[in-house]
Amino acid sequence: IAGITQAPTSQILAAGRRMTLRCTQDMRHNAMYWYRQDLGLGLRLIHYSNTAGTTGKGEVPDGYSVSRANTDDFPLTLASAVPSQTSVYFCASSENRGGGAGELFFGEGSRLTVL
Amino acid sequence: GQNIDQPTEMTATEGAIVQINCTYQTSGFNGLFWYQQHAGEAPTFLSYNVLDGLEEKGRFSSFLSRSKGYSYLLLKELQMKDSASYLCADMDSNYQLIWGAGTKLIIKP
Repeated sequence: IAGITQAPTSQILAAGRRMTLRCTQDMRHNAMYWYRQDLGLGLRLIHYSNTAGTTGKGEVPDGYSVSRANTDDFPLTLASAVPSQTSVYFCASSENRGGGAGELFFGEGSRLTVL
Repeated sequence: GQNIDQPTEMTATEGAIVQINCTYQTSGFNGLFWYQQHAGEAPTFLSYNVLDGLEEKGRFSSFLSRSKGYSYLLLKELQMKDSASYLCADMDSNYQLIWGAGTKLIIKP
């Protein structure tokens, strides 16, 4: 089934540990995004990529890094996890960033708990 | 500044009609989106408005007034499966989506 796959779906992590959330899409979309969703807040953009080889900072980039070596993969890394990074993380993609409807397709989310 | 406001929670009865409002204040505007998110699941796209007026898609319709910074999502003939959170988001001048916190819609039989 075409779409976006995230892994892991759930993870408990000790503070200070390094963690990479994986995201793969098979729709050949140019743009990809990482959001975090916290109770009572709207989705907040962490990092984005307009096309393979480029990345940009979103609203809340501190403590996170991304890479976009190819069209399909967009991993998110927490170099040294802290409890405030406990959240549900969604990876998303769109055909292009901006322009037209710009509909986003979301992965199923990764629930991360940092203790 | 950038701000999206929508009610936190609404309750409606199966078979009825409900209107979920959203107001926005954004630097630049490139469209208004509505997404549906069932508990524990990913958001899914419902509608996109860039021009003033009403867009109808089956039981769901979305309205936009750019001069008032206002949109609403209208759900008709409510079904139990419509119980979900509805997320309003506007696209700013940098083509970045600014999201509201979502409106949790509870449908009662």
